[in-house]
Amino acid sequence: KQEVTQIPAALSVPEGENLVLNCSFTDSAIYNLQWFRQDPGKGLTSLLLIQSSQREQTSGRLNASLDKSSGRSTLYIAASQPGDSATYLCAVTVTGNQFYFGTGTSLTVIP
Amino acid sequence: DAGITQSPRHKVTETGTPVTLRCHQTENHRYMYWYRQDPGHGLRLIHYSYGVKDTDKGEVSDGYSVSRSKTEDFLLTLESATSSQTSVYFCAISESARNGYEQYFGPGTRLTVT
Repeated sequence: KQEVTQIPAALSVPEGENLVLNCSFTDSAIYNLQWFRQDPGKGLTSLLLIQSSQREQTSGRLNASLDKSSGRSTLYIAASQPGDSATYLCAVTVTGNQFYFGTGTSLTVIP
Repeated sequence: DAGITQSPRHKVTETGTPVTLRCHQTENHRYMYWYRQDPGHGLRLIHYSYGVKDTDKGEVSDGYSVSRSKTEDFLLTLESATSSQTSVYFCAISESARNGYEQYFGPGTRLTVT
């Protein structure tokens, strides 16, 4: 069974710092990997999706990379802002009905 | 934001009572999913649907049933609620393999079983 791990579970940084969130998975046979943001008491918001054939995707200050062979993905956030404070989740898609989520990294950006 | 609504948003019920949660989408997406989110477990798939009247089990389907009679609605039923089913339930949709099964989530339903 696919296992998805996100370390650290919590991260606190000062405003303006660049940061990297990590996601690792145990089986490289994935269809894609998706990064989400979750604010307290809210649903998940899709940030980036990387297809298995891609190496990275960018959206604004966010850049996500994927290394299937090593079972790793990173989410890079440039020039962090207090509004970036949230829990960030990664999810691996194996097929259209098999999705495996990490437990998330809780990010706090201190003004 | 994808047009996904869930109802009710909060519910408190007693052990042994049936409960139905509703997910409604306005995106005409083919796939719909029900997840539960619990501390320490992340999101886990309960059931999913790949079309009207086409459903199948996910990782944690015991004690749950689903129905999809229209493209836009996906219902999750707890036949006889138990305290272990206290959780936050999320509905998600995705269009197809063509867009990589990219998932969009609803706002969630917080269910408490007393």
